[in-house]
Amino acid sequence: EAEVAQSPRYKITEKSQAVAFWCDPISGHATLYWYRQILGQGPELLVQFQDESVVDDSQLPKDRFSAERLKGVDSTLKIQPAELGDSAMYLCASSPRGLADTTDTQYFGPGTRLTVL
Amino acid sequence: AQSVAQPEDQVNVAEGNPLTVKCTYSVSGNPYLFWYVQYPNRGLQFLLKYITGDNLVKGSYGFEAEFNKSQTSFHLKKPSALVSDSALYFCAVRDRAAGNKLTFGGGTRVLVKP
Repeated sequence: EAEVAQSPRYKITEKSQAVAFWCDPISGHATLYWYRQILGQGPELLVQFQDESVVDDSQLPKDRFSAERLKGVDSTLKIQPAELGDSAMYLCASSPRGLADTTDTQYFGPGTRLTVL
Repeated sequence: AQSVAQPEDQVNVAEGNPLTVKCTYSVSGNPYLFWYVQYPNRGLQFLLKYITGDNLVKGSYGFEAEFNKSQTSFHLKKPSALVSDSALYFCAVRDRAAGNKLTFGGGTRVLVKP
């Protein structure tokens, strides 16, 4: 069964450092999502791509976060500089059709747990 | 704005007993509802979804959920819980009027005791 791949699984960094997370969606999935999940809470959408285009980044803190999906396949989420409050699980998800289909199902990767010291 | 509420932070149930995890929602248009399960240090696994049609939806691992439009609820159920069902469960709603954004509830931790 195809899965969403993410790396690294765990990342520990010091505040003010730069970190980057990578996501490889299920093959053929047009839409890719990055979520942030604070411990004990539900995931919150940071950014959504349809192919290589950003369609929603309204909740992305753009002063320090950036995301790209240059070839419309895999994606990188970067934080620079990291702050203590960025400690969370960062989840990547993909779905086959995205905006064109409200019934579309999102499939999640295992996540990257970030700890900022 | 769309929202999801999971009123119980934790549900405790004995193995073999029925399991119910509650979810209520608020949307301006037609709701599309989802349940996901999360095991420790893992991503979310899709369980089931309601789009239209039959109000009783059957999903993975013996789970089912009942859509109730008048009560704006979408409770997750399993007739006989297993210890391996112990995990964190999330309800989510998607509303075309909100740009197809998926909004999650705060999660309910399920503990099944042997």
